[in-house]
Amino acid sequence: ILNVEQSPQSLHVQEGDSTNFTCSFPSSNFYALHWYRWETAKSPEALFVMTLNGDEKKKGRISATLNTKEGYSYLYIKGSQPEDSATYLCALWGADNNDMRFGAGTRLTVKP
Amino acid sequence: NAGVTQTPKFQVLKTGQSMTLQCAQDMNHNSMYWYRQDPGMGLRLIYYSASEGTTDKGEVPNGYNVSRLNKREFSLRLESAAPSQTSVYFCASSLYSGRGYTQYFGPGTRLTVL
Repeated sequence: ILNVEQSPQSLHVQEGDSTNFTCSFPSSNFYALHWYRWETAKSPEALFVMTLNGDEKKKGRISATLNTKEGYSYLYIKGSQPEDSATYLCALWGADNNDMRFGAGTRLTVKP
Repeated sequence: NAGVTQTPKFQVLKTGQSMTLQCAQDMNHNSMYWYRQDPGMGLRLIYYSASEGTTDKGEVPNGYNVSRLNKREFSLRLESAAPSQTSVYFCASSLYSGRGYTQYFGPGTRLTVL
């Protein structure tokens, strides 16, 4: 079974705070990791696709790192804004399966 | 471009009724997917179609059938709805079904089975 774990489940921060959360996966079964941003009442939107150990991706104030040897990825948000409030999903393509497995997400709330 | 569209947005069914959820994409993508989202769980793949004319089971296929009608459209059918199928259903598409390809999601269909 390919388990993708995200922590924490939810997070409340103040506007201007920087924050980060984790996606963990079996290091023995990795091909690609996707991060999505999912606002309430909207569709999940792709943020990053990461495939190589040590990958770092950045989009504005959001960045992500990948460690395939230890089986985790971090998503960082610098200077959080209320519009960053959303659920952040990670999803793993394993080496042995033909589909993408999603974590349950981290729900971020940024208070003004 | 509309991207990925789904109909209906909301649906209430009684146990045993059948219905079809429709999905269409206008991005000329080859691969399409159906997921369900339940509280506290990640999106779980029901079925996918890697290319026109092919369909394969995902993680949770029981109780569902699919049809890839053409390159644009991929429908999900519940033959005899059960309360356990109460969920939010998302359709997605990607250029190809390979592991590095981003999936683009529709707005979802909220289904309640009484």
